[in-house]
Amino acid sequence: DAKTTQPNSMESNEEEPVHLPCNHSTISGTDYIHWYRQLPSQGPEYVIHGLTSNVNNRMASLAIAEDRKSSTLILHRATLRDAAVYYCILITRTYKYIFGTGTRLKVLA
Amino acid sequence: GAVVSQHPSRVICKSGTSVKIECRSLDFQATTMFWYRQFPKQSLMLMATSNEGSKATYEQGVEKDKFLINHASLTLSTLTVTSAHPEDSSFYICSAERGGIYNEQFFGPGTRLTVL
Repeated sequence: DAKTTQPNSMESNEEEPVHLPCNHSTISGTDYIHWYRQLPSQGPEYVIHGLTSNVNNRMASLAIAEDRKSSTLILHRATLRDAAVYYCILITRTYKYIFGTGTRLKVLA
Repeated sequence: GAVVSQHPSRVICKSGTSVKIECRSLDFQATTMFWYRQFPKQSLMLMATSNEGSKATYEQGVEKDKFLINHASLTLSTLTVTSAHPEDSSFYICSAERGGIYNEQFFGPGTRLTVL
């Protein structure tokens, strides 16, 4: 199964943009890139997904490298409620979600 | 839409007893549901894939006789932890696959199991 690599933790100041990177060098052509986040003691929450093109929704933006070997989740204005563990997941043909370690985002007031 | 619930949200039991956790897709039908386990400060680990009307597929290292999974309908899957021991204490999370082009999964809120 394709794997992803993310930094263990990141910090951001409130109201500032946050760029969360993810490396997925073994991605195959049919793998979708999904981002989820998990607040403490809760199940993961869908954030955004993409295949090749950059994507925007009300929560975030997803920038995908041209070779698709990396992607970046962009939170345009971090709030305290965005403090969570963010997971970058490749959705393979088997549709099994393989969670990596994720990035623990800390937002400073 | 696409809401998944779990019951109970928290359970404490004595060692040696069995505990059943329910996972329901409230507003869509899910032919496939997944069960994950998460230890403190760790990531989610897939335990098994539950398919409606058929036997579950367990990941390597997960004891199928200990973690019984039943997917009796398109909206309900249950996980029973049999003869629970303290090392089974964990956060159990289910997800339901809605289908479509990329079969995205929607996650339940999780069940905190504590075995005394």
